[in-house]
Amino acid sequence: DGGITQSPKYLFRKEGQNVTLSCEQNLNHDAMYWYRQDPGQGLRLIYYSQIVNDFQKGDIADGYSVSREKKESFPLTVTSAQKNPTAFYLCASSIPWNLGSNQPQHFGDGTRLSIL
Amino acid sequence: AQRVTQPEKLLSVFKGAPVELKCNYSYSGSPELFWYVQYSRQRLQLLLRHISRESIKGFTADLNKGETSFHLKKPFAQEEDSAMYYCALGGSSNTGKLIFGQGTTLQVKP
Repeated sequence: DGGITQSPKYLFRKEGQNVTLSCEQNLNHDAMYWYRQDPGQGLRLIYYSQIVNDFQKGDIADGYSVSREKKESFPLTVTSAQKNPTAFYLCASSIPWNLGSNQPQHFGDGTRLSIL
Repeated sequence: AQRVTQPEKLLSVFKGAPVELKCNYSYSGSPELFWYVQYSRQRLQLLLRHISRESIKGFTADLNKGETSFHLKKPFAQEEDSAMYYCALGGSSNTGKLIFGQGTTLQVKP
């Protein structure tokens, strides 16, 4: 079953604790993205990676970190510096921007993070 | 600055009525526009993109550069169309990034 797998589905964090959200894809996509979805605000880009060992900050990167050591994996760490981490987090992937065209992004099921 | 605006948080229509979900964008270059849909308990998925100029599930959307709009339309709504719809803008910045609107919930009543 091809696609993007995010785990866990639900995650709880204590104050001052870092947590890592997993995102794995078997679509052989070079580009991967992390979004945060809040009610009434749509999707906001946290980080993105166009190729292994490279990633860029999105619009709301403060308090988050990522790594891209393997093509199929793009984990997101929500650090204690993120003051309002409670949200729904979506991971996506796509083939790279190609020949002047943005490519459709494929999304995972998401992880809902809550603060205890 | 790149921006996508979906002015309606909620659009409620009766089955069989026409539907128009509005999307306006702000971008100085050559835009690429997408509509994504999220049905209940399903993942976000691509509905259509303007360069394909195709109709998916009866929905169409035309890019109007003069009005900077990309409204999604369907002549006769069905109950299974009830979902959250997001308009997204991709620019020519060679990054593949998309800017999403706030989303519109479409509710089709029987």
